[in-house]
Amino acid sequence: DAGVIQSPRHEVTEMGQEVTLRCKPISGHNSLFWYRQTMMRGLELLIYFNNNVPIDDSGMPEDRFSAKMPNASFSTLKIQPSEPRDSAVYFCATKGDGQYEQYFGPGTRLTVT
Amino acid sequence: GENVEQHPSTLSVQEGDSAVIKCTYSDSASNYFPWYKQELGKRPQLIIDIRSNVGEKKDQRIAVTLNKTAKHFSLHITETQPEDSAVYFCAASPRYQKVTFGTGTKLQVIP
Repeated sequence: DAGVIQSPRHEVTEMGQEVTLRCKPISGHNSLFWYRQTMMRGLELLIYFNNNVPIDDSGMPEDRFSAKMPNASFSTLKIQPSEPRDSAVYFCATKGDGQYEQYFGPGTRLTVT
Repeated sequence: GENVEQHPSTLSVQEGDSAVIKCTYSDSASNYFPWYKQELGKRPQLIIDIRSNVGEKKDQRIAVTLNKTAKHFSLHITETQPEDSAVYFCAASPRYQKVTFGTGTKLQVIP
């Protein structure tokens, strides 16, 4: 298995632009988590899905952030419009039903100038 | 919701010495406590975990202990090596749901 796949690995954009981050979970994993990591705030859970349904989005910072999981093999995290304070590494993690361990993707390093 | 506190934030040890990282949690419903290691520029990776029906678990040079009454758990690394240098995160989770991470401990092993 290729593991959790994220794209792009690096994204540099200007303030005000729309950014879309993508995640492909490990086949068979039915829970998907989006995290944001910064030096100041550490590793924060933004939202998680179970069987493609959003279960908890209380960590989504504001309306500029949205996430979707249209099917079991794909999820997106969108920021519109982006701001410099959104600069961070965004991780996607997935796990199987009834399992405890989460598997992280390689992350997307986002820089908003 | 769950709140996980982790100490210390940085830790420097001499190669061969032991390192101990401590965490506390708030939600008595949490029953799964993983520890992740994150090397610079890499993803967090699970190194060991413990569930609430176990008080201690060992894997070679790494051990975790759990005190459910006091709501705290610890990571112990013995005979530290330079490759142990990384950021370590503790976490807590109720059942199979979301994991709440601690703020991380940057461990430096000095050769």
